[in-house]
Amino acid sequence: GAGVSQSPSNKVTEKGKDVELRCDPISGHTALYWYRQSLGQGLEFLIYFQGNSAPDKSGLPSDRFSAERTGGSVSTLTIQRTQQEDSAVYLCASSLRTSGSSTDTQYFGPGTRLTVL
Amino acid sequence: DAKTTQPNSMESNEEEPVHLPCNHSTISGTDYIHWYRQLPSQGPEYVIHGLTSNVNNRMASLAIAEDRKSSTLILHRATLRDAAVYYCILRPTGTASKLTFGTGTRLQVTL
Repeated sequence: GAGVSQSPSNKVTEKGKDVELRCDPISGHTALYWYRQSLGQGLEFLIYFQGNSAPDKSGLPSDRFSAERTGGSVSTLTIQRTQQEDSAVYLCASSLRTSGSSTDTQYFGPGTRLTVL
Repeated sequence: DAKTTQPNSMESNEEEPVHLPCNHSTISGTDYIHWYRQLPSQGPEYVIHGLTSNVNNRMASLAIAEDRKSSTLILHRATLRDAAVYYCILRPTGTASKLTFGTGTRLQVTL
């Protein structure tokens, strides 16, 4: 079946511009996560959506970052006034189970590579 | 969250078994041990998980020490396609489901 998809696959932008990254989770998955991976660094959690609950935004690095999930499906990560340090691969994942399940498998998309010039 | 410690890199010959270690001395009684791997230019993918008993699936085996302070991911016959970064992750029961990735082990497989 179809996995998690992300678009665009690559995005080059100029410093100060706003960007939107899109994630289409696996159909029926109630949980959606955003992570980022900077060059030479590990994966860093950004934000987590679970059903209709308030999202866990504890990983967002600044107020320039925001995300929404419409209709419990597609999610958009928005970065305002991009900075060079925002350059990274942004990964989206989704999972089937509800919150609190530590055996919940996350399925990752291929990521969006963001380059801020 | 409890921390994990893994070697930065390991090498293996193709068709040979690979044992990837992970130390997690501060693991709590309700932490599950998960392994994910990230192939080049791809997102991470789930490999296996366990709590106390050893686990086997089509991809790998997970051997968990009796005191649960360490575990070993076993690839029975490494192939070139297994070259990836392998992450050992602890996930607490009953909390938010985010994954906390460490630096992982970069596995190189050679002919």
